[in-house]
Amino acid sequence: AQKITQTQPGMFVQEKEAVTLDCTYDTSDPSYGLFWYKQPSSGEMIFLIYQGSYDQQNATEGRYSLNFQKARKSANLVISASQLGDSAMYFCAMREAEGATNKLIFGTGTLLAVQP
Amino acid sequence: DTGVSQNPRHKITKRGQNVTFRCDPISEHNRLYWYRQTLGQGPEFLTYFQNEAQLEKSRLLSDRFSAERPKGSFSTLEIQRTEQGDSAMYLCASGERTGLPSNEKLFFGSGTQLSVL
Repeated sequence: AQKITQTQPGMFVQEKEAVTLDCTYDTSDPSYGLFWYKQPSSGEMIFLIYQGSYDQQNATEGRYSLNFQKARKSANLVISASQLGDSAMYFCAMREAEGATNKLIFGTGTLLAVQP
Repeated sequence: DTGVSQNPRHKITKRGQNVTFRCDPISEHNRLYWYRQTLGQGPEFLTYFQNEAQLEKSRLLSDRFSAERPKGSFSTLEIQRTEQGDSAMYLCASGERTGLPSNEKLFFGSGTQLSVL
């Protein structure tokens, strides 16, 4: 069964520094997608970045990059040059390609606080 | 493109009352999802539609919950005889599948926060 684990309930980072948010996953499907979402206090889930299981290179989107280590089943999010507006909950999520379900499953999230 | 819209933003109700939430997805998206999120947890899948067809329901969705998407556009989620345990944020998302099934990106609304007293 698919599973997402985020072991960091909360993290602090200084403004302008880089931060890594951890995510590990479990699946028996060879084809899957990994996603990161940001949820500010307003509640909306904002899509940040996507990595396909067959992608050869790590995904990047502006200041966000995904450190994909397939053998370790990890998909850590790296935020470079943190900004105060990055303070939010961050969720890692996964969807399998095969099987009867199409749902995106989420981890429990990491609360990031950026300090000035 | 105005994004995914959910109404109301907040709903306070007494136990035993019925409530209905509405979701307007991004217009060109044919897939619509409902999730529930409680404090300190990630969103949990409830159900999803492809056009007007409801293709999957979670076992979390008791028979007090019903969702519809009558014309393949907006969707409603109704909870009958609400219980205190129904208090949560109800999130709607829409997406359009292109390519592999696994790469569908979901776009979420701001959610409806339900409080059952």
